[in-house]
Amino acid sequence: GQSLEQPSEVTAVEGAIVQINCTYQTSGFYGLSWYQQHDGGAPTFLSYNALDGLEETGRFSSFLSRSDSYGYLLLQELQMKDSASYFCAVYSSNTGKLIFGQGTTLQVKP
Amino acid sequence: DADVTQTPRNRITKTGKRIMLECSQTKGHDRMYWYRQDPGLGLRLIYYSFDVKDINKGEISDGYSVSRQAQAKFSLSLESAIPNQTALYFCATSDSGTSGSSYNEQFFGPGTRLTVL
Repeated sequence: GQSLEQPSEVTAVEGAIVQINCTYQTSGFYGLSWYQQHDGGAPTFLSYNALDGLEETGRFSSFLSRSDSYGYLLLQELQMKDSASYFCAVYSSNTGKLIFGQGTTLQVKP
Repeated sequence: DADVTQTPRNRITKTGKRIMLECSQTKGHDRMYWYRQDPGLGLRLIYYSFDVKDINKGEISDGYSVSRQAQAKFSLSLESAIPNQTALYFCATSDSGTSGSSYNEQFFGPGTRLTVL
């Protein structure tokens, strides 16, 4: 089956850098993606990696190592508005499903 | 106007009642999904549909049914609601292209908060 593991909570201070790790198990891997969800809101897509390496989008970067079944989301220059839950998700071409991790709650402190 | 809408936004009902949650989208996407979110459990897939005639069970379909009335509409029904179906329900859509981004990028509605007493 498909499964993902990510830390449940992370705390950092404004202006700092934080890394949220995700390990996964799946067959027919077709991409690792990241979603952000503010409290009470809908998840919104941040990025996805299909190939090994780092993808940068502004203050956010996402990394993938397919050989290690591992990825991370890197948030730089943290702002208070980055306080949210972050979900990694893996798509399997075998099942046609996008399966989400349990989410990491990021708290940014002043 | 929002691309993916859900009605109702909030609903309180009693055990044993039949409930329908509706989802509409204007994105022109073929693929639609229903998820359930419980605290600490992330998003779990209930049902998904790749087109009007294609409906598939997700991880937790027991106690739920769906109807894809048109490309733009996908409804979720709880035939006889029970308290452990109290949760936040999200509808989502995605493009049917063959690129990785099509499979991985989903667009979510605002959610329906359902409480079963």
